[in-house]
Amino acid sequence: AQTVTQSQPEMSVQEAETVTLSCTYDTSESDYYLFWYKQPPSRQMILVIRQEAYKQQNATENRFSVNFQKAAKSFSLKISDSQLGDAAMYFCAYRSARGTYKYIFGTGTRLKVLA
Amino acid sequence: EPEVTQTPSHQVTQMGQEVILRCVPISNHLYFYWYRQILGQKVEFLVSFYNNEISEKSEIFDDQFSVERPDGSNFTLKIRSTKLEDSAMYFCASSERGISYNSPLHFGNGTRLTVT
Repeated sequence: AQTVTQSQPEMSVQEAETVTLSCTYDTSESDYYLFWYKQPPSRQMILVIRQEAYKQQNATENRFSVNFQKAAKSFSLKISDSQLGDAAMYFCAYRSARGTYKYIFGTGTRLKVLA
Repeated sequence: EPEVTQTPSHQVTQMGQEVILRCVPISNHLYFYWYRQILGQKVEFLVSFYNNEISEKSEIFDDQFSVERPDGSNFTLKIRSTKLEDSAMYFCASSERGISYNSPLHFGNGTRLTVT
């Protein structure tokens, strides 16, 4: 069975600085998708960025980028120029590319942004 | 931007009572989901729904749970006889496409269910 591990329950970053959130996963599949979701205090989870496993190029969305290391099964999220609005719970998620609708989430990392 | 909406935001019920959680998915989405998050724990998959039937369910989704799309807009989760361990945040989600396409989930704000 696939698992997703986020080893950092909480992280802090100074405003305007860069922070990296870690995520590792375990799977025997070669075709899958990875996601980072953000859950602000208002509770709605919002997609931050996604990566297809067959793509070697790391995904980037404005200040958010990932470091996808397929062999190491690692999918970290880098937030550059951190802003107060980035404070939230961040969830890493995995989904197989075939045969299932199920997303598997990690336990989340709470990011605090310090002014 | 269209959103998934959930009602109520907070539901308190007594153990053994039936509860219905309601969701309005994004209008052009075809796939619907329920997830739950027990306080401090992982977000867990419960069920997916497509074309008016369950397409996949987890081991959590036992006979006490059911889902329905009673009309063209609502998607509901019913728990027939609630237990204390059903206390959690329940998230509805929808997606435009299903398993064969990289189609991200769009989540609602959640319903916090408290069973006393």
